[in-house]
Amino acid sequence: GAVVSQHPSRVICKSGTSVKIECRSLDFQATTMFWYRQFPKQSLMLMATSNEGSKATYEQGVEKDKFLINHASLTLSTLTVTSAHPEDSSFYICSARDMGGRKNTEAFFGQGTRLTVV
Amino acid sequence: DAKTTQPPSMDCAEGRAANLPCNHSTISGNEYVYWYRQIHSQGPQYIIHGLKNNETNEMASLIITEDRKSSTLILPHATLRDTAVYYCIVSSTGANSKLTFGKGITLSVRP
Repeated sequence: GAVVSQHPSRVICKSGTSVKIECRSLDFQATTMFWYRQFPKQSLMLMATSNEGSKATYEQGVEKDKFLINHASLTLSTLTVTSAHPEDSSFYICSARDMGGRKNTEAFFGQGTRLTVV
Repeated sequence: DAKTTQPPSMDCAEGRAANLPCNHSTISGNEYVYWYRQIHSQGPQYIIHGLKNNETNEMASLIITEDRKSSTLILPHATLRDTAVYYCIVSSTGANSKLTFGKGITLSVRP
């Protein structure tokens, strides 16, 4: 199946700094990508929908100025956690659907990025 | 909010079939049933999806009731590597269609 790749897989940063996470669709074009966050022993929570060439749509309660999303091409979306705090430590996961002309397609997920803010 | 309900956990013996139930009584006519699983500290892995007919692939079978209000994921011969959290999700198709995750069911496969 299609592949979605995230980078980095793990990152440790100091409080107050910014961290960028990349999400790439390796063998298909993704006009839309989704960003999730997962805290320990909890389910995935959708943060935002990333649209190529336009502004992202954020879920209620997610600060758009803190979690900057850029979807500059059909294969790359980035999530930047700005002014990171320890409570931002979490597992961040992206996903994208491979539309490829087919009607019913599954969404593919990246391997996730473990962010630890110290 | 997730539109599905699943038991929190279940276990089965290695080599036996694992039947994972899911209720989705408010599913809309254009929504599909998707199943994903997540092994610890990894991204979710697609398993199977269907609309109203039963589906089978190399990983699993999906049985959807005629009224579409519930479904069952069947892993025909569970292995230890199938131990994971399994999520049942209803969603319409389309590039912008979100997948909203519930709590899932933790499947433990015992030797």
